[in-house]
Amino acid sequence: DADVTQTPRNRITKTGKRIMLECSQTKGHDRMYWYRQDPGLGLQLIYYSFDVKDINKGEISDGYSVSRQAQAKFSLSLESAIPNQTALYFCATSDSGPYANEQFFGPGTRLTVL
Amino acid sequence: QKEVEQDPGPLSVPEGAIVSLNCTYSNSAFQYFMWYRQYSRKGPELLMYTYSSGNKEDGRFTAQVDKSSKYISLFIRDSQPSDSATYLCAMSSMIKAAGNKLTFGGGTRVLVKP
Repeated sequence: DADVTQTPRNRITKTGKRIMLECSQTKGHDRMYWYRQDPGLGLQLIYYSFDVKDINKGEISDGYSVSRQAQAKFSLSLESAIPNQTALYFCATSDSGPYANEQFFGPGTRLTVL
Repeated sequence: QKEVEQDPGPLSVPEGAIVSLNCTYSNSAFQYFMWYRQYSRKGPELLMYTYSSGNKEDGRFTAQVDKSSKYISLFIRDSQPSDSATYLCAMSSMIKAAGNKLTFGGGTRVLVKP
């Protein structure tokens, strides 16, 4: 079974709709991250969380919000989706301490906003 | 200018050839350097992880870091069709405020032809 799971895997929605992407992990990691990937741009950090009570904005947080419901669950919301939020979205986890840079990614959610 | 530059490719090589990938960066605070492999429709998976300058070898893979030139490389020996994927470099600094944020290159698509 996958250690980091994301739902849904694919989603098509319309401009203005509210969308939630969910991430669950069984790795027991404290840290969780949301990235988006656009062709040729690598991955850009949207939000990250070091534990349930510690949530931080990444480099492209505008238009997004997150919720850390438990150590194992981290959700990303698009309050009012717009077409330029069409992208691949990845959740990742990492341990803390000396291995904090080793991030483990989920399979991704392909989001299309029409 | 992006903090991390990576040639997007595609890089096409015959099976058995050496694949040579590289990234340049501008932030001298980066001290941790990673290479991720991403197959189509999958999340990135960590391939190599190095700290500071030097070489690291793991099977057919060799990672090199030259901090003085702000240049990192990944070599794949005896390439196989199964090595066909996109390879992303990633870097981070030790600065706590950065939240072990990874800065990614845009990825290089590699195609190994049988």
